[in-house]
Amino acid sequence: KNEVEQSPQNLTAQEGEFITINCSYSVGISALHWLQQHPGGGIVSLFMLSSGKKKHGRLIATINIQEKHSSLHITASHPRDSAVYICAAMYSGGGADGLTFGKGTHLIIQP
Amino acid sequence: DGGITQSPKYLFRKEGQNVTLSCEQNLNHDAMYWYRQDPGQGLRLIYYSQIVNDFQKGDIAEGYSVSREKKESFPLTVTSAQKNPTAFYLCASSKWVAGYNEQFFGPGTRLTVL
Repeated sequence: KNEVEQSPQNLTAQEGEFITINCSYSVGISALHWLQQHPGGGIVSLFMLSSGKKKHGRLIATINIQEKHSSLHITASHPRDSAVYICAAMYSGGGADGLTFGKGTHLIIQP
Repeated sequence: DGGITQSPKYLFRKEGQNVTLSCEQNLNHDAMYWYRQDPGQGLRLIYYSQIVNDFQKGDIAEGYSVSREKKESFPLTVTSAQKNPTAFYLCASSKWVAGYNEQFFGPGTRLTVL
């Protein structure tokens, strides 16, 4: 069964720290998503990537296909970054039948 | 503004009652999905629909039913056969972007069965 593993499960840091969240997956993905879920529950898509690196503001997502690993980085973290970050993989051949999700990383940034 | 709406945000029902969760999108997406989220677990796929009048079971379809009569709407019914219905339910829709399926999520409905 295709799986997605995230680490750490919980992370508390001080404002301004550099944050890294890791995601590992099985072989054969066509794309990997990073999602952000705020306390209210709604989910926002941050990145979708299949190779290399993407950057949006203070957020950076990287993926290493050979190592089957992706990371989400947050530079100059701020309390408003506090949320659950979810990694989700679209496995090749999965078509339009959805994603396989990690359990999420609960991030708290303290002022 | 285009987006996905789910209503209501919070829903309470007595055990043994069927309940229908609404999901509407105005993004003109063909595919729609229902996911369930439980504490400490990743989202799990309940049902998905790639086109009007067609839908497929996901990983945890037992105790649920759906319909797709219109492109914009994909309601989910939680039946009394669902053993543990209390959960957070997320609806999503998707479009293909450069060969990849990019999904957009609604705000979710938190269902509590008493």
